[in-house]
Amino acid sequence: EPEVTQTPSHQVTQMGQEVILRCVPISNHLYFYWYRQILGQKVEFLVSFYNNEISEKSEIFDDQFSVERPDGSNFTLKIRSTKLEDSAMYFCASSYDRDQFFGPGTRLTVL
Amino acid sequence: GDSVTQMEGPVTLSEEAFLTINCTYTATGYPSLFWYVQYPGEGLQLLLKATKADDKGSNKGFEATYRKETTSFHLEKGSVQVSDSAVYFCALSGRMDSSYKLIFGSGTRLLVRP
Repeated sequence: EPEVTQTPSHQVTQMGQEVILRCVPISNHLYFYWYRQILGQKVEFLVSFYNNEISEKSEIFDDQFSVERPDGSNFTLKIRSTKLEDSAMYFCASSYDRDQFFGPGTRLTVL
Repeated sequence: GDSVTQMEGPVTLSEEAFLTINCTYTATGYPSLFWYVQYPGEGLQLLLKATKADDKGSNKGFEATYRKETTSFHLEKGSVQVSDSAVYFCALSGRMDSSYKLIFGSGTRLLVRP
C-alpha cells in the first residue's frame, strides 16, 4: 500500500539555523499539506500546495516558512531561522481529493 | 471561522466497554467530517469519514454519523480492545479555492485497560 514518507524522523537544531523537512507524497496525489503539532496540543494546518503553488496558508506560515516541490516527487518545508517555539512534530500529508494521508512526522527540536 | 470541539480526555475504559467520544463542529457550507487516530509514536491515520448529512462512516468496528441538525459527529464503538488505546482526532474539511485543509479538534486520549 502506498504511503507518505518523511525524513528525518527527528531533527535537532540551534535557534536561528535553517532546517529543511522532507516529504515524499503518494505518487498520484494532487494536493500536498504541512501540519504541525506542538507537544500536547492540537494538530494545526500550516499550508496547502496544489498545481505547483501555495493554495492556502495559515497565519502561522509567515515569511520564515517556505515550501517547494523541486522535482515532482519530494515536497519540502523550509524554516529559514528557527525559533524555540518552532519545536513541534511536523506532519506532511497528501491527497487526491478530500481524503488526506499523513506521513509519520518529523520531530523538530530547537535548542 | 470553522472549528471542531471534542470532549476532554483521557477516557479510560475496561476492555469490551462501549465507547463514545463526542465531537461537534462549526462550519459554513457543507463540510466533510473525519475521525483520525494517532497510535503512540506514530502519525495520523484516517479512521472513517462522512461527506454529507446522515452519512455513517464506519471502520474497524468504529462508527460515526454526520448529524447536521446537531452539528455533531460522535465516534462510537460497541466493544473496545486494549489495542484501541490511542488519541482520536475529529476533523472537518471545507473547501476554499484549491485547498481541502483539515481543521482538527484537540484530540481525545483513550486508554483501554485489560
